[in-house]
Amino acid sequence: GNSVTQMEGPVTLSEEAFLTINCTYTATGYPSLFWYVQYPGEGLQLLLKATKADDKGSNKGFEATYRKETTSFHLEKGSVQVSDSAVYFCALTTHRDMRFGAGTRLTVKP
Amino acid sequence: DAGVTQSPTHLIKTRGQQVTLRCSPKSGHDTVSWYQQALGQGPQFIFQYYEEEERQRGNFPDRFSGHQFPNYSSELNVNALLLGDSALYLCASTPRQLAKNIQYFGAGTRLSVL
Repeated sequence: GNSVTQMEGPVTLSEEAFLTINCTYTATGYPSLFWYVQYPGEGLQLLLKATKADDKGSNKGFEATYRKETTSFHLEKGSVQVSDSAVYFCALTTHRDMRFGAGTRLTVKP
Repeated sequence: DAGVTQSPTHLIKTRGQQVTLRCSPKSGHDTVSWYQQALGQGPQFIFQYYEEEERQRGNFPDRFSGHQFPNYSSELNVNALLLGDSALYLCASTPRQLAKNIQYFGAGTRLSVL
């Protein structure tokens, strides 16, 4: 079945450091891929998406490229801020339900 | 334009009781999905409704049931509550015709079973 494997955390970085959170997937068909972010006490907010191979999703300085050959969708940001501290989820959908990774908790220290 | 709204925000129940959670989808969305998010885990798909019928179901027992109303709002019912049912329950909506489109999530209902 469809599944997402996400880099385990927690991840702690200093402000302005480079961020990578790895995500790989297994899916039949052609999934759409997403990164969602969850701040404490809140629901999930879409961060970015990509719907086909080689698409790059980007938002708020975050980027991820849909790599079909490596079945990956790694999240990157060149310079993190304290306000980026949250839990990040990689997800895929091929029909109508979404499959999520376990989440990676990011803490950014000043 | 209101997003996905869920009620209540918090709920405390005891083992064996029954609970009903409610969700109103984003305006223009006709498909509602429910997810269970245990502490420290990613959301797990429970089921999805559109046209007032359950269309897909994840690996959850029959104690979990739902309903969708003509105005597209939805309820999640859980019977015979277990301690392990304690979790954040998330509702998400999407327009049906965009099958692989973004799902918009509500803030969730946190259920504690004592």
